[in-house]
Amino acid sequence: AQKVTQAQTEISVVEKEDVTLDCVYETRDTTYYLFWYKQPPSGELVFLIRRNSFDEQNEISGRYSWNFQKSTSSFNFTITASQVVDSAVYFCALSEAEAGTALIFGKGTTLSVSS
Amino acid sequence: GAVVSQHPSWVICKSGTSVKIECRSLDFQATTMFWYRQFPKQSLMLMATSNEGSKATYEQGVEKDKFLINHASLTLSTLTVTSAHPEDSSFYICSAAQGPNQPQHFGDGTRLSIL
Repeated sequence: AQKVTQAQTEISVVEKEDVTLDCVYETRDTTYYLFWYKQPPSGELVFLIRRNSFDEQNEISGRYSWNFQKSTSSFNFTITASQVVDSAVYFCALSEAEAGTALIFGKGTTLSVSS
Repeated sequence: GAVVSQHPSWVICKSGTSVKIECRSLDFQATTMFWYRQFPKQSLMLMATSNEGSKATYEQGVEKDKFLINHASLTLSTLTVTSAHPEDSSFYICSAAQGPNQPQHFGDGTRLSIL
């Protein structure tokens, strides 16, 4: 059965620190997709990235970077030089290859960045 | 692009009232939309998958007579919470994708408070 584990419930850092949010997933499918979403205090979900199971290339987008490792079933998310505006709940999610499959979310990691 | 609009954003009503929540894809067509529920400080749990022109697929434990879903067009799905009670108070979020395993774009959510 598919499962997403975000072991870190809450993380607190000071501005300009780097922080890594962990995500470990379980699936029996060989074709699947991994996502990260951000949920600020206002509640809306903001899409950050999608990665398919055949693309293990790491990605960098500004201060954000993602490390996908199939060998350890992990898809970790790093924010460099964190800012107060990064404070939010971050969800890692998994969907399997069937058309229209919904997302299975991890429990989320609450990131608090203080100035 | 890929904007999903959800309405209303906040509802407070008396126990026994039925409440309808709308989810619209504004600039794309979505054959499939998803409805999630989120309790405070918890993750999103999939309630049902809404397919245009056919019956919704409900997750185990979700009462289909309680949570009525209608997906009448490629841009609109509605969730009606019938005879709502305080335990139905939650944050309800819809999402839509432009195609199979494309990133899901989320509405801003609806905070439902039943007194």
